Amino acid sequence: EPQLVESGGGWIQPGRSLRLSCTASGFSFGDYAMSWVRQAPGKGLEWVGFIRSKVFDGTSEYAASVKGRFIISRDDSKSIASLQMSSLKAEDTAVYYCVRVTPGSDAFDIWGQGTMVTVSS
Amino acid sequence: SSELTQDPAASVALGQTVRITCQGDSLTNYYASWYQQKPGQAPMLVISDKNSRPSGIPDRFSASSSGDTASLTISGAQAEDEGDYYCKSRDSDGKLLVFGGGTKLTVL
Repeated sequence: EPQLVESGGGWIQPGRSLRLSCTASGFSFGDYAMSWVRQAPGKGLEWVGFIRSKVFDGTSEYAASVKGRFIISRDDSKSIASLQMSSLKAEDTAVYYCVRVTPGSDAFDIWGQGTMVTVSS
Repeated sequence: SSELTQDPAASVALGQTVRITCQGDSLTNYYASWYQQKPGQAPMLVISDKNSRPSGIPDRFSASSSGDTASLTISGAQAEDEGDYYCKSRDSDGKLLVFGGGTKLTVL
């Protein structure tokens, strides 16, 4: 059964950096694009960015709100996707979900349980 | 602000049909996928942009699209269908992804 498990969340001061990891199991990780979605407390879902599979050159796209501050990477040998967050702001406080993208589609078919990031002084 | 607009709330009587809509210019060129989220849980896919339901999603869930509006229809709503529903598609430029603001569905 495909599964995604996020880790690395916690409390961090504004302006600092934090790295989230997403460990995948139960499927051929390298064949899939992966994405990150966040949800601020009591708010809706916000797409953060995605990284294509290596077959599609492994490039990334980002939401305007995080572009230039966040970087998504992947290690197919370890089945891990990462979200490197820098220059963190209070408005980055959210639950961060790792999601799998359905091949040939934009659908997010597998979601992790999420990891909470709190940016506060 | 979201480029996809959803009504914040909707309600339906048990066993009746409800339609949840999602409006945006990009929907004239791209299909939407739909997600359900229950309190304290991660979202889950209910209908893909290819109009397919993952295994385990009841066939009372269906999707359609017309012009700049995508719709999720629940035919014969059940109590367990209560939750927040989000549409997702591409932005106006077609390069990035965007979620609608979400619709909170109450089953009466």
